[in-house]
Amino acid sequence: NAGVTQTPKFQVLKTGQSMTLQCAQDMNHNSMYWYRQDPGMGLRLIYYSASEGTTDKGEVPNGYNVSRLNKREFSLRLESAAPSQTSVYFCASGRGRGDSNQPQHFGDGTRLSIL
Amino acid sequence: EDQVTQSPEALRLQEGESSSLNCSYTVSGLRGLFWYRQDPGKGPEFLFTLYSAGEEKEKERLKATLTKKESFLHITAPKPEDSATYLCAPGGGYNKLIFGAGTRLAVHP
Repeated sequence: NAGVTQTPKFQVLKTGQSMTLQCAQDMNHNSMYWYRQDPGMGLRLIYYSASEGTTDKGEVPNGYNVSRLNKREFSLRLESAAPSQTSVYFCASGRGRGDSNQPQHFGDGTRLSIL
Repeated sequence: EDQVTQSPEALRLQEGESSSLNCSYTVSGLRGLFWYRQDPGKGPEFLFTLYSAGEEKEKERLKATLTKKESFLHITAPKPEDSATYLCAPGGGYNKLIFGAGTRLAVHP
């Protein structure tokens, strides 16, 4: 009963390097989300996908791109990493197609440090 | 502007000492308010959804309540295993969950 699986769990990058964070869910959910969590702040939405084939910007999209590969998988890409992108990244999925009356279910995060 | 404030930032309780966590929100067109528990190094774990003022939900030692401006998470006779960060997230509009910074709860034996 995996739920939402994120890989990798930890990563250290140098400024300017690129990488892709992977997320997969096995709950047959329609919507998927990427958040970042920084100390003393609430989770902030980076991008979301209300359904397979659609993606939209959230609150803090600059410096990121996403791909909804299929219904199960939603990846987040950092093209040229910056120290300000050091954070913990969470992927979530939800049953609805974007209406905010359904809970989201989270993975255990990717801890990313950029030197 | 939509806003969420959780208080206190941190709370230390003795085992068995009941208390309440507060979530104050300003969100237009509230669609649902969600409570999560987050353990260190883990993702948020869903606890409750509340949809309308006056609604209450219970799970073991936790009870969540909702008014038009606030939600409370009441913890009755807490145990050390209730230690975690509790997050509140009102949902207002399309794909718009607004997360508070959380309350860090420590329950000591």
